[in-house]
Amino acid sequence: EDQVTQSPEALRLQEGESSSLNCSYTVSGLRGLFWYRQDPGKGPEFLFTLYSAGEEKEKERLKATLTKKESFLHITAPKPEDSATYLCAVLLGGSNYKLTFGKGTLLTVNP
Amino acid sequence: NAGVTQTPKFRILKIGQSMTLQCAQDMNHNYMYWYRQDPGMGLKLIYYSVGAGITDKGEVPNGYNVSRSTTEDFPLRLELAAPSQTSVYFCASSDFRGYNEQFFGPGTRLTVL
Repeated sequence: EDQVTQSPEALRLQEGESSSLNCSYTVSGLRGLFWYRQDPGKGPEFLFTLYSAGEEKEKERLKATLTKKESFLHITAPKPEDSATYLCAVLLGGSNYKLTFGKGTLLTVNP
Repeated sequence: NAGVTQTPKFRILKIGQSMTLQCAQDMNHNYMYWYRQDPGMGLKLIYYSVGAGITDKGEVPNGYNVSRSTTEDFPLRLELAAPSQTSVYFCASSDFRGYNEQFFGPGTRLTVL
């Protein structure tokens, strides 16, 4: 049973068309939720960590939010260079370091 | 700082061959990890280490071995390669707080034929 589910699997946007990616989790005792960006042929690159419900973090056109059951990655006025796979991962209770990853959302932004 | 480096970038193995994937980090991180990533799947933890001389199994350890003799290096050994080990392998590291972000290497693409 998947503990971390990301949706949609793929999203195609026009440049400037804002949208959101979802990451839902079924684990209890969440210690942290992480967002990563992965470009083709490269390793994941860290974006955000969220630790408690209600927390929000922003970076350029990206804003991540966290509730008790899910996280959203909001993309405002995306550009083609935002095209990538976005990965969500959770840090489970009882562990300081073992992340459980979702399968990712492939975002394509067309000019 | 080079961050996390991995060698080789690509490798093709025949069934039954063995090899070692190299990983090094220059950030003095205590924690190091090995993941595999298959198409359409999330990253799966193979092994991890919380410091030199200390390693433990992750989610999918079968067919792999690791050692950690120094803080900097964390090699992954594949014994008797099988087609099921065809994947992209990522090494990562994080600092002593662990729950902070993990820094990933560029990956090794391995094909077993």
